This record gives sequence, C-alpha cells and structure tokens, in this order.
Amino acid sequence: GENVEQHPSTLSVQEGDSAVIKCTYSDSASNYFPWYKQELGKRPQLIIDIRSNVGEKKDQRIAVTLNKTAKHFSLHITETQPEDSAVYFCAAENSGYSTLTFGKGTMLLVSP
Amino acid sequence: DADVTQTPRNRITKTGKRIMLECSQTKGHDRMYWYRQDPGLGLRLIYYSFDVKDINKGEISDGYSVSRQAQAKFSLSLESAIPNQTALYFCATSDSPREEQYFGPGTRLTVT
Repeated sequence: GENVEQHPSTLSVQEGDSAVIKCTYSDSASNYFPWYKQELGKRPQLIIDIRSNVGEKKDQRIAVTLNKTAKHFSLHITETQPEDSAVYFCAAENSGYSTLTFGKGTMLLVSP
Repeated sequence: DADVTQTPRNRITKTGKRIMLECSQTKGHDRMYWYRQDPGLGLRLIYYSFDVKDINKGEISDGYSVSRQAQAKFSLSLESAIPNQTALYFCATSDSPREEQYFGPGTRLTVT
C-alpha cells in the first residue's frame, strides 16, 4: 500500500514569513494529492489539492507543487498569518483501494 | 459543517465494554470512512464503505467492526474496548476517491 512521509513535524515562523511543508509518497500510480488543515479542536478540512496532470496549483496565499518523477509534493504558504496556525496533513491516493493515506501531520505555529 | 454528524462527541468507557460510535451524513455521498487520530500519528483508516453492501478493512481494523445501515449512516463498534483504543475518531464522507472528504466533528474516546 501507499506510504506517505511528511516533514517537518513542527514548524515555527514569524508572521509574514513563508512556510513550506514537504511530503513524499511511494505509490507511483497515485494521481491525487490533497492537503488538509486542522485547527485546534476542529475537524480536518481540505485547503487545496492537486492532480497528476498539473505540476503546480495556487489559491491566493497557498500553493502546492508536485514532482511525480521524484514522488514528492509540497505545500507553500506565503505571507503567513496567525490564523494559519494549525496542523496540516498531506495525503496521497492509495491507487489500489481508492482511499487516501495521510502523512503524520505538521504543526505550524505563526507568531505575531 | 452539520452535513456530517457524529455521536457521541465524548465518551469514557471501561476496558472490556462494547461501544458504538455513530456517523450520519446528509451530503448524499456513497463513500464513508472511519479514521483514528493519535498525536503524532496522523489519520489512520480503520474501515471504509463505498456503498451499503460494500465494506472494506483499512490499515488498522483489528479490534473494530462496522455497520452500514443506510447510505447516510455508518457505525463503528469496539467489541471489547482496550486502553490503547483511546483516541479521537473521525467519520468522513466523499463523492468520489479524488474529491474532498468531509469530516465529522470527531468523537473523543477514552478507555480506562
């Protein structure tokens, strides 16, 4: 099955800085890579996703890049704000089962 | 957010007891999932169902069972709870494998 590694496990930045979270995956047939944000005490919610027919996708301050050759994808947050503080999970499609395998999460702390 | 509901929201039970966690969704999706979240371990898939007659084990199904009573309802049971099943449990639903998974609010289960 799919194996997803996520780094770093914690990330502290100053407000206004950029943050980058990286994930690698093992299933070369995976074609769908979502990112979820979980605020403290809340449920995970999708913030952006990318499919293998594109290499980069942007939504305002958030972008995701995908390198299928290297089997890694990254989340980029620019101009971070305190409300970006949360746990972020990457995930990759488990192609044999039509499910997702999640990374272990990155706790992002944005200090004012 | 009320599209996916879970009951109970919090539960404390004793070792050896049987417990059922319930999930309901009003999004009309066929696909439903149960995940377990532990600190530092991310979201791990317990069971998933693609329709009422299709139920599949996830990566950590031992000690759990499920029932899909209707398209909208998917229940998770712990036949004989043990302390290492103490965790936050999330139900989720999606329309297709490459679309957003909508999570419920979670059930915090403590087994003493």
